[in-house]
Order: sequence, then structure tokens, then C-alpha cells
Amino acid sequence: GQQLNQSPQSMFIQEGEDVSMNCTSSSIFNTWLWYKQDPGEGPVLLIALYKAGELTSNGRLTAQFGITRKDSFLNISASIPSDVGIYFCAGQLFGNTGNQFYFGTGTSLTVIP
Amino acid sequence: DGGITQSPKYLFRKEGQNVTLSCEQNLNHDAMYWYRQDPGQGLRLIYYSQIVNDFQKGDIAEGYSVSREKKESFPLTVTSAQKNPTAFYLCASKRSRAANQPQHFGDGTRLSIL
Repeated sequence: GQQLNQSPQSMFIQEGEDVSMNCTSSSIFNTWLWYKQDPGEGPVLLIALYKAGELTSNGRLTAQFGITRKDSFLNISASIPSDVGIYFCAGQLFGNTGNQFYFGTGTSLTVIP
Repeated sequence: DGGITQSPKYLFRKEGQNVTLSCEQNLNHDAMYWYRQDPGQGLRLIYYSQIVNDFQKGDIAEGYSVSREKKESFPLTVTSAQKNPTAFYLCASKRSRAANQPQHFGDGTRLSIL
């Protein structure tokens, strides 16, 4: 199946620092989604992007749909301890009528108080 | 409260046994999905259904079966043919076949082998 390259794989940061992570694909996507997953729980939707170039914020989180349609990034500003978790990107291929989503391998975020 | 409910939270399977994982949603969503999550890997699609009485295989369907007799329910059976079933299983749903709709997830079922 389609693979999304998500980086970095893990991050260790001080509380208050900003965080940036990204996903890239070799194919064109028409939807990019960002999720956060806590241990033993299901992923929770953070931000959904549907248009190339779209920049969307959700509190301290900001995500952008790349102009080439092949990438997306997520920024977290002024990190706090509850930001700890695994962040996943997901995308739906352009022209995909099968309703399938493809997922990155996740970025594990640790915030040091 | 609207949402996706997966049960049980933890499930244990004996060798040679079939087990069924439940997924129910009251969001009136058309599409439902089952994923498998293993450590260090992204979610892999097992089966999905876009409408009642219809479903398609995902990337790793072997050893699994599903049914979609009701819009709100999409149970997954892990059969004895699945030789490595230990994983975290996630159910998701999506409002419609339209492109601009996100997936929402349940809280997962962790399956282990006794």
C-alpha cells in the first residue's frame, strides 16, 4: 500500500519550545489529516486539510497542506507536558474513490518539564 | 454522546480460536474501517465498508473477516488463520464517500494470544 514518510521519528524537547514535524508522499493527496494518539487510546483528530496551500490552526497547533499536494507539516508552539504522545499524519490519494486513507509511522513527542 | 465504541478494550485468544471485535457508531456515518497497529508502524488497513452489505479488503485482509449488516455496526473476526494476531485494533468511521471528510477513531481493542 501507499507509504507516507513522516519525520522525525521521535523528538525530545523542553517545555515551552516549538515543535515541527512533516509528512511527505511520492503521490498527490487531496486530503491531509493530523492525529494525536495517547498510549492505549485511539487517535484523535487535530486538524484536517483539504486544499493545496491551506494553512489551518487549532489553538497552539498549525498545519499546512503543501502546494505540491505531496507534503504537509504540523507545528506546535510553546509546548506543554500534555502535548506528549504520538502524532500521525494521514492522507487520501487524489482521485481516490475507494475512501482509503494512508498513514505515516508517527512522531513520538516527549516534553521535558 | 455521539461516537465510536469498540469492545472489549482487552481480548485474549487461545491458539486455534476465532474472536470477534465489536465496533459500533452512532454518528450516522456511511463508511467504516478496521486498522491494525503494531509498534513502530503506521496503521494498516484490514477491511473497509462504504455502505451496508458491502465491504472491501484492505492491505492485510488475510486471516480476518467482517460483516456490515447494519449501518452502525462493523464487527471484525480474527480467525485462526491469522498467525500473528497480537496487535492493537482500531475501528474508524467517516461520514460519507465525499472526499472532504475526516476519519474518526474508536479507542481500540488490544488483542493478545494466550
